[in-house]
Parts: sequence; C-alpha cells; structure tokens
Amino acid sequence: DGGITQSPKYLFRKEGQNVTLSCEQNLNHDAMYWYRQDPGQGLRLIYYSQIVNDFQKGDIAEGYSVSREKKESFPLTVTSAQKNPTAFYLCASRNDRVWNGYTFGSGTRLTVV
Amino acid sequence: AQTVTQSQPEMSVQEAETVTLSCTYDTSESDYYLFWYKQPPSRQMILVIRQEAYKQQNATENRFSVNFQKAAKSFSLKISDSQLGDAAMYFCAYRRSEGNNDMRFGAGTRLTVKP
Repeated sequence: DGGITQSPKYLFRKEGQNVTLSCEQNLNHDAMYWYRQDPGQGLRLIYYSQIVNDFQKGDIAEGYSVSREKKESFPLTVTSAQKNPTAFYLCASRNDRVWNGYTFGSGTRLTVV
Repeated sequence: AQTVTQSQPEMSVQEAETVTLSCTYDTSESDYYLFWYKQPPSRQMILVIRQEAYKQQNATENRFSVNFQKAAKSFSLKISDSQLGDAAMYFCAYRRSEGNNDMRFGAGTRLTVKP
C-alpha cells in the first residue's frame, strides 16, 4: 500500500546535538512538507519542497534544515540552533496533478533531554 | 498571509447528538480550498471533508457536512449522530489554488463525545 513513513516514532536528543527525522513516501507525490505541532498552536510549516533539489522555508524554518535529493525522501534535520525543539513533527505530501488535501505520515515525537 | 481561526478550543457532545465546530479564515483570494482534518489519539491526521471555494454547494461525507459561507469567510463542520470514535482533535485548513499553496491550519478544536 502506498503511504508516507516517518521514522523514528520517538526520538530523544541531548542539548547541542543535531538529529535527523526521516520521511519517505511511495505515492509518487511531487510536493512534500514538514510541520511542527505544539499544543494549542495547530500545525506550523517548517519547510516544503515542490520538486526534487528545490525547497522553500516555511514560517518557522530557523534552526531546521532539509534536503530533497530524491522524490521519495524529504529528511528534516533539527539543529542545535533550534532553541525549543521538543514537539511533534508531521511530514506530508501532495500530488500536484489533482486537487487534494495532504497525505500525512504518523509523526515523530522529538524530546530534548 | 492567510490565517485560519478556530475559536472553540474544546467542545463536547452527547453520543448520537449533533455538534458544530466553527472555523473562520482570512484571505484576499477568490479561489481556494478548505479542509477539515481529524487527529485521533493515535495522532494520525485523517482528511474528513473538503470544499472548493468556487462551489456553492456544501460538501457532505456521510455524517459530516460543512456550512460554507464564502462572503463571511466561514467554514463550519457539522457532525451528526456523533459516535465515540469521533472524539479527536479537529483542524480546519486552508490552501490557495495557485502559487505557494502550502496548507494553513487553525489551532484545533478538541471534541469529546460523552456516552
């Protein structure tokens, strides 16, 4: 079955460390997105990519980085510059050829210890 | 920038009753899409219903329907015959049809269903 896989489900990071969250899709979708979810704030856009080797900053890109070397993959790195990284991270994708909502992964819970 | 507002942080409904969740949005665009997503305790985001702005007819999906008021920029979700499985966070979302068309989400409404 096609879908989006995020890994790991839970991730613990020590202060000062960089960590990378994985997002893989086999839906052949062109566009991919990373959102951060905090209680009471809904989902906020971190980065998005509409084609391979191209990506744009969202509203809260500071302290994060991404790459899009393959259509299927859109990893998110949370760097030590991100001052409050503890959150739930959601990856999503969308097919540009039809109007539609997003398909979401099951998320990664990142906790700084 | 487009914004989406959900003014009800929490709502509750008795099983089998009807509940309406509110959503307003701000945009200068004339063509866009609106969505309601459900996030149960598993935290998997599930698309509930969607509406194209150029369509006057309100979307319906089984027990879920919307009241889309374009002039008022309002997009409420009605859940009929509420079931225990409807308990979840519900997010309203907006997306432009052209240009940078990432999706904008409201802060969410937590729905509790009482047996």
